[in-house]
Amino acid sequence: DAKTTQPPSMDCAEGRAANLPCNHSTISGNEYVYWYRQIHSQGPQYIIHGLKNNETNEMASLIITEDRKSSTLILPHATLRDTAVYYCIALRSVKGGSQGNLIFGKGTKLSVKP
Amino acid sequence: NAGVTQTPKFQVLKTGQSMTLQCAQDMNHEYMSWYRQDPGMGLRLIHYSVGAGITDQGEVPNGYNVSRSTTEDFPLRLLSAAPSQTSVYFCASSIAGGVGGDTQYFGPGTRLTVL
Repeated sequence: DAKTTQPPSMDCAEGRAANLPCNHSTISGNEYVYWYRQIHSQGPQYIIHGLKNNETNEMASLIITEDRKSSTLILPHATLRDTAVYYCIALRSVKGGSQGNLIFGKGTKLSVKP
Repeated sequence: NAGVTQTPKFQVLKTGQSMTLQCAQDMNHEYMSWYRQDPGMGLRLIHYSVGAGITDQGEVPNGYNVSRSTTEDFPLRLLSAAPSQTSVYFCASSIAGGVGGDTQYFGPGTRLTVL
């Protein structure tokens, strides 16, 4: 199972882009990179995921390096409501099947400041 | 759709008491799971189910039981509550548990205190 490493905390000015890094140097070829966030002890919220190519949706962009050993989540115009803990997760398969269980680390606490 | 619902929102138990945390989803998802989150920590998987009648253990299953008699419901039972089970419990569901880039939806959580 690929382990991910994230900085414990980051600050970002409101209106600027927030770039959250994640290291996953042992990721295997069929493991996705997922990003979730948790706002103030609410249930985690899905943001985006990718396998090899860069991805973009209405919330964020995900940039995955060519060797897949690291990735960056980009919130293009951070707002105060983006203050949360962001989790980078490499999806793994459970025994006997192809379903995946999310393995959460401690994540990165992003503080967006006015 | 209500999504994933959990009851109760808050609960206080005494050591040794038993209780059931309820989780329901109305999205016809096959995969459901339970996590616990201790202060300052990430979520840890307790049990999960890949469909009605099928359950399996996660990372921290001791002290908890689950069953899945219907697609919609996935209750978590604490057999004999201990202070170490004080935590926030989250239920989640997805169509296929992450296969092919599936995503999981989380409930709002149940905050449990065991005295």
